[in-house]
Amino acid sequence: GAVVSQHPSWVICKSGTSVKIECRSLDFQATTMFWYRQFPKQSLMLMATSNEGSKATYEQGVEKDKFLINHASLTLSTLTVTSAHPEDSSFYICSEGKSTDTQYFGPGTRLTVL
Amino acid sequence: GNSVTQMEGPVTLSEEAFLTINCTYTATGYPSLFWYVQYPGEGLQLLLKATKADDKGSNKGFEATYRKETTSFHLEKGSVQVSDSAVYFCALGTGSGNTGKLIFGQGTTLQVKP
Repeated sequence: GAVVSQHPSWVICKSGTSVKIECRSLDFQATTMFWYRQFPKQSLMLMATSNEGSKATYEQGVEKDKFLINHASLTLSTLTVTSAHPEDSSFYICSEGKSTDTQYFGPGTRLTVL
Repeated sequence: GNSVTQMEGPVTLSEEAFLTINCTYTATGYPSLFWYVQYPGEGLQLLLKATKADDKGSNKGFEATYRKETTSFHLEKGSVQVSDSAVYFCALGTGSGNTGKLIFGQGTTLQVKP
């Protein structure tokens, strides 16, 4: 199957700063990527669908100005958490794939906002 | 709305014990159902799936049957190994035309002791 990497795997930042998380497809050209958020002992929640060359589609309740998604190439999608606050601390996971049974997930990025 | 509920963990078993992880769902229409597994330090991997009622998905000794009458998709394995220790996620696929959206349960941690 496809290989997806995320960088960084772990980041700590101060409140008010912005953090960029990268999701790379290492051996697959991904026109569609998904960003999920996972709180401790809770399920993954889909945040947005990232489409190469177009605007991302955000799920209800997700602030698009808070979580900026850029999918500028077929191998890279980025999620930027702007003006991060402690409540944004979470585990962020990306996946690639168009259909529900061919999604490949990255290992996740743990964000801690102090 | 659509949702997935899994039994809470952690589940601790001895090697060669029988495993059941319960999963029930709420959905409109006819979703596909999945079990994903996440080994330590790795991304989620598809373990098995079922796309319609009464289908049985199976892989690596694990199996689950899509039960529409009980809205369940319980994961079972007859004899677990230490290498099965991981977090298991039940999920359903929503949307038409393979939009790729997945709704996850909260995950169940399995610990298998030798």
